[in-house]
Amino acid sequence: AQSVTQPDARVTVSEGASLQLRCKYSYFGTPYLFWYVQYPRQGLQLLLKYYPGDPVVQGVNGFEAEFSKSNSSFHLRKASVHWSDWAVYFCAVSMLSGSFNKLTFGAGTRLAVCP
Amino acid sequence: EAGVTQSPRYAVLQEGQAVSFWCDPISGHDTLYWYQQPRDQGPQLLVYFRDEAVIDNSQLPSDRFSAVRPKGTNSTLKIQSAKQGDTATYLCASSPGTGKDTQYFGPGTRLLVL
Repeated sequence: AQSVTQPDARVTVSEGASLQLRCKYSYFGTPYLFWYVQYPRQGLQLLLKYYPGDPVVQGVNGFEAEFSKSNSSFHLRKASVHWSDWAVYFCAVSMLSGSFNKLTFGAGTRLAVCP
Repeated sequence: EAGVTQSPRYAVLQEGQAVSFWCDPISGHDTLYWYQQPRDQGPQLLVYFRDEAVIDNSQLPSDRFSAVRPKGTNSTLKIQSAKQGDTATYLCASSPGTGKDTQYFGPGTRLLVL
């Protein structure tokens, strides 16, 4: 069965510093991978998605992620964090079931940004 | 374009009471998903529809949970006889329908069962 592990429950960075949020997946076959962000009292918003191809994908607001098949990873990165990035970040893997996209999410990483 | 809307935003119940959650997907999206998100966890898929048909409800926790989408647009998720373990945020998402399409999420309904 597919699964996602986000090993860091909480991460704190200073504003302007670089960021990496880790994601490890378990999936038999070629995965489709996603990063979503959840701001307080809001639904999930898509940051970026990976479909087989270029391993580095660009997303919104300066985020990017790199797929590694050898490491079973899909880490999220940002060069310079802004205070507005304070949120919870979820990594997800998709299992295509027929023509349907069934997402399995990790537990999330809470990002705090210090001034 | 309006996003996915959900109501109510919050619900507080005593154990044993029933509650319904309502979801209005993005217009034209034929696939609708319901997720349960316990506190400090990721969303977990409960059920999903293509138009009015249930495609998979195998993850609905028990026969206390039911979901319908009678006209292939709005959907209702109902919990009969709620338990404290049902405390969570219930998220609705919709997508245009093909397998690789992005799911768009609503703001969720936060349920507290006392």
